Amino acid sequence: DAMVIQNPRYQVTQFGKPVTLSCSQTLNHNVMYWYQQKSSQAPKLLFHYYDKDFNNEADTPDNFQSRRPNTSFCFLDIRSPGLGDAAMYLCATSTGMNTEAFFGQGTRLTVV
Amino acid sequence: TQLLEQSPQFLSIQEGENLTVYCNSSSVFSSLQWYRQEPGEGPVLLVTVVTGGEVKKLKRLTFQFGDARKDSSLHITAAQPGDTGLYLCAGGGQGAQKLVFGQGTRLTINP
Repeated sequence: DAMVIQNPRYQVTQFGKPVTLSCSQTLNHNVMYWYQQKSSQAPKLLFHYYDKDFNNEADTPDNFQSRRPNTSFCFLDIRSPGLGDAAMYLCATSTGMNTEAFFGQGTRLTVV
Repeated sequence: TQLLEQSPQFLSIQEGENLTVYCNSSSVFSSLQWYRQEPGEGPVLLVTVVTGGEVKKLKRLTFQFGDARKDSSLHITAAQPGDTGLYLCAGGGQGAQKLVFGQGTRLTINP
């Protein structure tokens, strides 16, 4: 049973055209994360929500925004995608900040 | 800032061989997780260790948490091509500290 679901699995967007990636969870976890992963590197944390509290990483570009309308859903908005934003985007959840994370399958974003 | 260093970063061995991947830090972690990620997929949690000196086994995989809870190792016995992937360790700090990921070990098992 899928617990963290990301849609779509593959997304192609044009340079500069806003794009939204979505994540849903059935685990009822408090924390939801968005990570960016390039070229088999480790995931890089962009931001996270602890319940409704939003926490941005210091080096996350302003081009990236997030919304969490309820416990189950979280969205990643990229306002003006550049070629350098092409990557795998991973959503994850956890019960607390320092506990094990459960990842979705990821969305592979291509910018053309 | 807590950091986790994994070694080696790349490892390519033949089927049937044994291997060990290391995850080291100068910081103490309350828990440590190991994940495996296959190409095009998200990381999948393999194990969580929380007690210093703890050893957990998952079929041919053996995970150990260091006595001081600063390091961990993953040992694979008789590696198989299905073990190929990116192995990530992640440490949980105290309280509200977020998970810290190592840079990963890219493992390739050749038939």
